Amino acid sequence: DAGVTQSPTHLIKTRGQHVTLRCSPISGHKSVSWYQQVLGQGPQFIFQYYEKEERGRGNFPDRFSARQFPNYSSELNVNALLLGDSALYLCASSLEPGPKKQYFGPGTRLTVT
Amino acid sequence: AQTVTQSQPEMSVQEAETVTLSCTYDTSENNYYLFWYKQPPSRQMILVIRQEAYKQQNATENRFSVNFQKAAKSFSLKISDSQLGDTAMYFCAFMKLFNAGNNRKLIWGLGTSLGVNP
Repeated sequence: DAGVTQSPTHLIKTRGQHVTLRCSPISGHKSVSWYQQVLGQGPQFIFQYYEKEERGRGNFPDRFSARQFPNYSSELNVNALLLGDSALYLCASSLEPGPKKQYFGPGTRLTVT
Repeated sequence: AQTVTQSQPEMSVQEAETVTLSCTYDTSENNYYLFWYKQPPSRQMILVIRQEAYKQQNATENRFSVNFQKAAKSFSLKISDSQLGDTAMYFCAFMKLFNAGNNRKLIWGLGTSLGVNP
């Protein structure tokens, strides 16, 4: 089975632009979580979705939004990009929310100039 | 709020030797999970080992084992017989067992960069 996939791999945007990051979970997994990892730091929780409903939101501004589709894939949207949004964005999937094994994708490296 | 602290930004070890990475955490919860994740240069975050707080027995996965001291809120990772492929960032993470809204988020430390030398 394919693992968690994320697209694109790398992305360069300009301040003020909008970006959409995509994640496809492992087949059968219904929960997707998004994390932001700034260089040199640990990941920070952004969102969690389960069965197409938002289950949790981290301490991020409203410029960040996400959604989960009927096939359980997910999009993370960031509006009005700031230089500080430059980071590795990680997607993790699991069968359901909880301490069961979360499988991470390779991440999307976003650079805002 | 829960916090996770990894006090060793960088460590190195010789191949085949043993190394211990430290992690402490702060929580008022009694039921929770602790994790060690490995992030090699490929960026893929990989679960190394998981510990349930209600279990007194330390978790073990092949060459990886933990020393879980609940009272001290300490959760160290021991890597035995270190291999070159163990070179990576290692993150300690915490998850509450019960959470409002039923979300299950991981709270992460800053990581320890481990280099295994030949």
